[in-house]
Amino acid sequence: QVQLVQSGAEVKKPGASVKVSCKTSGYTFRSYGISWVRQALGQGLEWMGWISTSNGNTNYAQNLQGRVTMTTDTSTGTAYMELRSLRSDDTAVYYCARTGASAYSYGHYWGQGTLVTVSS
Amino acid sequence: EIVLTQSPGTLSLSPGERATLSCRASQSVTSNYLVWYQQRPGQAPRLLIYDASNRATGIPDRFSGSGSGTDFTLTISRLEPEDFAVYFCQQYGSSPRTFGGGTKVEIK
Repeated sequence: QVQLVQSGAEVKKPGASVKVSCKTSGYTFRSYGISWVRQALGQGLEWMGWISTSNGNTNYAQNLQGRVTMTTDTSTGTAYMELRSLRSDDTAVYYCARTGASAYSYGHYWGQGTLVTVSS
Repeated sequence: EIVLTQSPGTLSLSPGERATLSCRASQSVTSNYLVWYQQRPGQAPRLLIYDASNRATGIPDRFSGSGSGTDFTLTISRLEPEDFAVYFCQQYGSSPRTFGGGTKVEIK
């Protein structure tokens, strides 16, 4: 069955970077894209961006441009999201989701979420 | 960017009742590329409806989606205990892919 398993919780200081992994299984990795979505505690969902696993093309949310990088390792079926220059308002649960191959697609299967806490 | 406004913010209903949730877009959603998700406390979102009106695999037929253009609706025909949760809409036809603020369906 399709599974996306994310890395564990992280605690970071302001200004640091975090890299969250999303290990997939149960399907052909390069046939689907990966989106990243975050959710501050008790708040709504925020789309962060999308990456094509077939060619590495990315589409990032404007407000994160320059701070976020999404990558994939096709040999292991793993997607990564790195966020730099962390601020306190980056504290959130970060989710990866498998989407269709097209950039115009939605998250069908989701990871369990990774809590990133930014605190001095 | 397309702003999605969900209403009401909270819906208080009893099991067995009908729930009607609204998602209104600030401009037309391309090709009705809109999904609905359910999120229970401590869990990841779960896909319910895609392309505005198509149920995802394994979703009970008490969930239905309708609408087009700027006005979309999620209907739960008869609420089951497990349906009390938060529901989000999202459009994926334009960048950035935006979410609505959510509707919480709570037990009355």
